Amino acid sequence: GQQLNQSPQSMFIQEGEDVSMNCTSSSIFNTWLWYKQDPGEGPVLLIALYKAGELTSNGRLTAQFGITRKDSFLNISASIPSDVGIYFCAGPYGGSQGNLIFGKGTKLSVKP
Amino acid sequence: DAGVTQSPTHLIKTRGQQVTLRCSPKSGHDTVSWYQQALGQGPQFIFQYYEEEERQRGNFPDRFSGHQFPNYSSELNVNALLLGDSALYLCASSFQVSQETQYFGPGTRLLVL
Repeated sequence: GQQLNQSPQSMFIQEGEDVSMNCTSSSIFNTWLWYKQDPGEGPVLLIALYKAGELTSNGRLTAQFGITRKDSFLNISASIPSDVGIYFCAGPYGGSQGNLIFGKGTKLSVKP
Repeated sequence: DAGVTQSPTHLIKTRGQQVTLRCSPKSGHDTVSWYQQALGQGPQFIFQYYEEEERQRGNFPDRFSGHQFPNYSSELNVNALLLGDSALYLCASSFQVSQETQYFGPGTRLLVL
């Protein structure tokens, strides 16, 4: 079945650094969603992408819908401490637009 | 603009009991989906409700059932609780016409002892 593979699994950031993460699938997606989840909270929708090649920004966050429709990228510029958390990519499973499948997440932590 | 709300925030039950979780969608949304999130994993889709009917269902047993009310709010019921049902239960709401764009509530943390 469809699976979303996120990388890296975890990364450490220092304030001010740029961060990149990606999500790939063996199947085509027609929507890509990026969420951030803080401990004990629900995921918060950061960016939604609906068209192959689309590049969308939300403040310091930029996400792209890959041309092949099998991948997506999320970049965070000039990271700040509140960027710490788990970032999930998600997309509709098969033909069911309402059934989202999620990657396993990329955990962003602060470098000691 | 009220976001998605869920109640209760935390719940402790014992094996074999039944539980009901509640969700109010974001203002204006007509579709509610429920997800289960185990520790360290991404959310997994349980089912979706629209027009008071279950429209889509993920790979969950019949012990998981739900309901949607005329005001679009929803309940998730789990019968015969198992230890493995311990998880964060998330409600997400959307417009039916753009049901893939979902907004999540804070979740209900269920612990089954």
